[in-house]
Amino acid sequence: EPEVTQTPSHQVTQMGQEVILRCVPISNHLYFYWYRQILGQKVEFLVSFYNNEISEKSEIFDDQFSVERPDGSNFTLKIRSTKLEDSAMYFCASSRQGLPPFNEKLFFGSGTQLSVL
Amino acid sequence: KQEVTQIPAALSVPEGENLVLNCSFTDSAIYNLQWFRQDPGKGLTSLLLIQSSQREQTSGRLNASLDKSSGRSTLYIAASQPGDSATYLCASSQGGSEKLVFGKGTKLTVNP
Repeated sequence: EPEVTQTPSHQVTQMGQEVILRCVPISNHLYFYWYRQILGQKVEFLVSFYNNEISEKSEIFDDQFSVERPDGSNFTLKIRSTKLEDSAMYFCASSRQGLPPFNEKLFFGSGTQLSVL
Repeated sequence: KQEVTQIPAALSVPEGENLVLNCSFTDSAIYNLQWFRQDPGKGLTSLLLIQSSQREQTSGRLNASLDKSSGRSTLYIAASQPGDSATYLCASSQGGSEKLVFGKGTKLTVNP
């Protein structure tokens, strides 16, 4: 069964450093997302991406964050200058079509645990 | 702003028991509601999606219901098994938005 792949599974970085989290969405999916989950808290939406541009972003997704689809398979989340509060599990997800207006299930990767020291 | 709440936060049951997990949401203008399973160290797996026009969806031993007017959804698990132990999350989708709004989840433990 096709799946969303994320690398690395764990990332440790120093405060102020740049990190890039990588994802390979399911091959025939067109919509891509990043969510994050701080330990003990809810899963939160960060950004959605379609047709090589951001379609929606949350208040969390400030200028420190950026997303890119550098080629036909990868989807990346970059945090320019990490803060302690960026420590979280970051999940990539994809869907065949957008939701709404379509009733599409989201397929999530296993996540990257980011620890900022 | 949509708020999704799941009660209880944790539930422990003996194997074989039927159980119900609850999800409530503040804005009834949802587009759909999804139930996910989250295993430790793993991602979220979509279990069921209920469209706003539907009342319930079934998959195997799982049955999810939706009552938009009361702002509630339930996930019914029949004949629970130890392999069902996981955290179950519900998430709503609103019209005009790409995002899912998640509850905090119910951690289910099924004891052999």
